[in-house]
Amino acid sequence: AQTVTQSQPEMSVQEAETVTLSCTYDTSESDYYLFWYKQPPSRQMILVIRQEAYKQQNATENRFSVNFQKAAKSFSLKISDSQLGDAAMYFCAYRSSSGSARQLTFGSGTQLTVLP
Amino acid sequence: GAGVSQSPSNKVTEKGKDVELRCDPISGHTALYWYRQSLGQGLEFLIYFQGNSAPDKSGLPSDRFSAERTGGSVSTLTIQRTQQEDSAVYLCASSRTLAGGKETQYFGPGTRLLVL
Repeated sequence: AQTVTQSQPEMSVQEAETVTLSCTYDTSESDYYLFWYKQPPSRQMILVIRQEAYKQQNATENRFSVNFQKAAKSFSLKISDSQLGDAAMYFCAYRSSSGSARQLTFGSGTQLTVLP
Repeated sequence: GAGVSQSPSNKVTEKGKDVELRCDPISGHTALYWYRQSLGQGLEFLIYFQGNSAPDKSGLPSDRFSAERTGGSVSTLTIQRTQQEDSAVYLCASSRTLAGGKETQYFGPGTRLLVL
């Protein structure tokens, strides 16, 4: 079974600064997808960024980018020019690309505080 | 059009009562997922519906939990004889079904269940 580990329960960053959230995972599969979701106090889980394991190039979405290290099974999220609206719980998630298992396996989350 | 919607937003019930939680997926999405988010267990997969196929019930924690998806659209999660440990946020997600698992899951705002 796959597991996802987020070792930072809480992080804080000064507005306009850069912060990196860590995620590691364990799998025996070679092809899979990785995601970062954001959950603000409204509870709505919002997709931030996704990465296909077969792609070597790191995914980027505006101020959000990932550092995907397949051999190390590491998938960190970098938020540049942090904004107050970035404050939320961030979840790293894994999904297999093979077979019928389409559900997400989530890490325990990192609560990000953005300081003005 | 609209995103995934869930009702009710909040539900308070007494121990031993049955509850029904509803999820309306994004129109055209063939896959529907239920997850549970609790303080002690984090985010857990419960059940997955794919088109007209038999659902993947591997995440249901006990036989008190069941779910239906009528007409390939709306889904209802039913918890019978609720227990205090059932208190959690129940999240629904939907997605298209794409080859190679390329789809992205979109989440609803969740139902917060409190069992007294």
